[in-house]
Amino acid sequence: AQSVTQPDIHITVSEGASLELRCNYSYGATPYLFWYVQSPGQGLQLLLKYFSGDTLVQGIKGFEAEFKRSQSSFNLRKPSVHWSDAAEYFCAVGAYQTGANNLFFGTGTRLTVIP
Amino acid sequence: NAGVTQTPKFQVLKTGQSMTLQCAQDMNHNSMYWYRQDPGMGLRLIYYSASEGTTDKGEVPNGYNVSRLNKREFSLRLESAAPSQTSVYFCASSVTGTGAFQETQYFGPGTRLLVL
Repeated sequence: AQSVTQPDIHITVSEGASLELRCNYSYGATPYLFWYVQSPGQGLQLLLKYFSGDTLVQGIKGFEAEFKRSQSSFNLRKPSVHWSDAAEYFCAVGAYQTGANNLFFGTGTRLTVIP
Repeated sequence: NAGVTQTPKFQVLKTGQSMTLQCAQDMNHNSMYWYRQDPGMGLRLIYYSASEGTTDKGEVPNGYNVSRLNKREFSLRLESAAPSQTSVYFCASSVTGTGAFQETQYFGPGTRLLVL
């Protein structure tokens, strides 16, 4: 069965510092991986996604993620965090169920940015 | 384009009351989804509709019913609300949904439901 683990519930970083959010997945086939961001009171917005090819994926807002099959990981990174990046971040794996592709989400990591 | 819209934004119900959460998308997407978000649980799929006229259960369907009214609209109904259904509900849509693993799902802003 598919599952996603985000081991860090809450991370605090200073503005301008680098960021890495961890994500580990479990899936029997080739994984289809996503990172979504949820700002307070808002819906989820796609940051980036990985399906195949280059294991380093670039997304919006200066984020990138690296797929490492040997470690079953898809960690999200940003070289320099901005105060506006404070939000909750969800990693998800796409899996096929009857009739449709569905997303299975991790429990999320809340990012706090200190000025 | 408004994208995915949801009504209402916030609702308070008493145990046993019923209500319908509305969702509409204007992107001509075939597939639509209902999720619930609970603290520490991430998002969990309640029901989905791969295409107009079809609906299927997700991970946590008990206590809910859905209707795919037309291609644009997908409603979620709570027939007899329970405190355990207090949650934030998100609707999402994607282009085709069937076998297209690379598809992005687009989310609405959510409905915050409190059941007393």
